[in-house]
Amino acid sequence: AQSVSQHNHHVILSEAASLELGCNYSYGGTVNLFWYVQYPGQHLQLLLKYFSGDPLVKGIKGFEAEFIKSKFSFNLRKPSVQWSDTAEYFCAVKFRAGTASKLTFGTGTRLQVTL
Amino acid sequence: EPEVTQTPSHQVTQMGQEVILRCVPISNHLYFYWYRQILGQKVEFLVSFYNNEISEKSEIFDDQFSVERPDGSNFTLKIRSTKLEDSAMYFCASGADLTDTQYFGPGTRLTVL
Repeated sequence: AQSVSQHNHHVILSEAASLELGCNYSYGGTVNLFWYVQYPGQHLQLLLKYFSGDPLVKGIKGFEAEFIKSKFSFNLRKPSVQWSDTAEYFCAVKFRAGTASKLTFGTGTRLQVTL
Repeated sequence: EPEVTQTPSHQVTQMGQEVILRCVPISNHLYFYWYRQILGQKVEFLVSFYNNEISEKSEIFDDQFSVERPDGSNFTLKIRSTKLEDSAMYFCASGADLTDTQYFGPGTRLTVL
């Protein structure tokens, strides 16, 4: 079955530390990949996305992610986190099959950045 | 920047009552979605809607649920007879085409007592 997994459920980092959040999916076909962020009390916002081309994609607020097809992974990175990055981060995958367009989400990673 | 809006932000209802959650998608978008997130769990797909009909639905979306686009701007989710387990945050999303990014609204928190 198609699924998305995020292995880090809760991450605590100090400001200026580097961040990497893992995302893996299970599906042998074409995928579109997304990272969404949900700041406290706010709605889901798109951080970045990968459809095709360069597997290293850059998003807003200094985030980037790398698609490694052989590992079925799309990990999110940021070289130096800020306190304002405290939020919940969701990996989402669109499994491209026919006219299917739904997103399948991972369980989310709660990032807490301390001063 | 255009946004998806949802009303109400919080709905409290008694078990067995009908609720209608409303969404206004981004105006030039053609694909519409409902997702829900039960507290502490992942965001789950409910239904997608295109060209005035359901294009895909999950096993969660049973006969108690229905969606409608009653006019050119609103997109609604109706739960006919709410159950305790329907308590969740319900998110509406819209996209310009099948492969496009989905843009999410702020959500409606539904509490069933």
